[in-house]
Amino acid sequence: KQEVTQIPAALSVPEGENLVLNCSFTDSAIYNLQWFRQDPGKGLTSLLLIQSSQREQTSGRLNASLDKSSGRSTLYIAASQPGDSATYLCAVLSGGNQFYFGTGTSLTVIP
Amino acid sequence: ETGVTQTPRHLVMGMTNKKSLKCEQHLGHNAMYWYKQSAKKPLELMFVYNFKEQTENNSVPSRFSPECPNSSHLFLHLHTLQPEDSALYLCASSLSDSSYEQYFGPGTRLTVT
Repeated sequence: KQEVTQIPAALSVPEGENLVLNCSFTDSAIYNLQWFRQDPGKGLTSLLLIQSSQREQTSGRLNASLDKSSGRSTLYIAASQPGDSATYLCAVLSGGNQFYFGTGTSLTVIP
Repeated sequence: ETGVTQTPRHLVMGMTNKKSLKCEQHLGHNAMYWYKQSAKKPLELMFVYNFKEQTENNSVPSRFSPECPNSSHLFLHLHTLQPEDSALYLCASSLSDSSYEQYFGPGTRLTVT
């Protein structure tokens, strides 16, 4: 069974800093990987989707990379802002046509 | 109204009650999903519907009963729930099956007393 791990569980950075969130998965046979943002008590907002054939995707200050063979993905956030404070979740689509989610990284950007 | 909507946003029910959660998507998608999010646990996929047909039932207890009358609407019927069923229930949709980007609703916060 696919297992998805996100490290660290919580991260606190000063405003303006660049940061990297990590996601690892145990089974490299994935179809795609998706990064989400979740604000407290709210649903998930899709940030980036990387297909298994792709190495990275970019959207504004966000850049997500995928190294399928090593079972890793990173989400890079440039010039962090207080509005970036949220929990970031990664999910992989694996065999059985099912998304497997990590437990998330809770990010706090301090003004 | 756009995106994925869920009602109610909050629900408190007793263990003997029967209630339903509703999800509606305005994105023209054909696949819809129910997830359960409990504290400190990863999201758990419960059900998947693709073109109104259920394609996944992730060993969910029968006290949860899904219904998908059309590609835009998804219900989760609840009866004789347990306190451990208290969680955030999230609905999502995608263009077709799980290979496409998923869009989530705001969730229903369910408390079983």
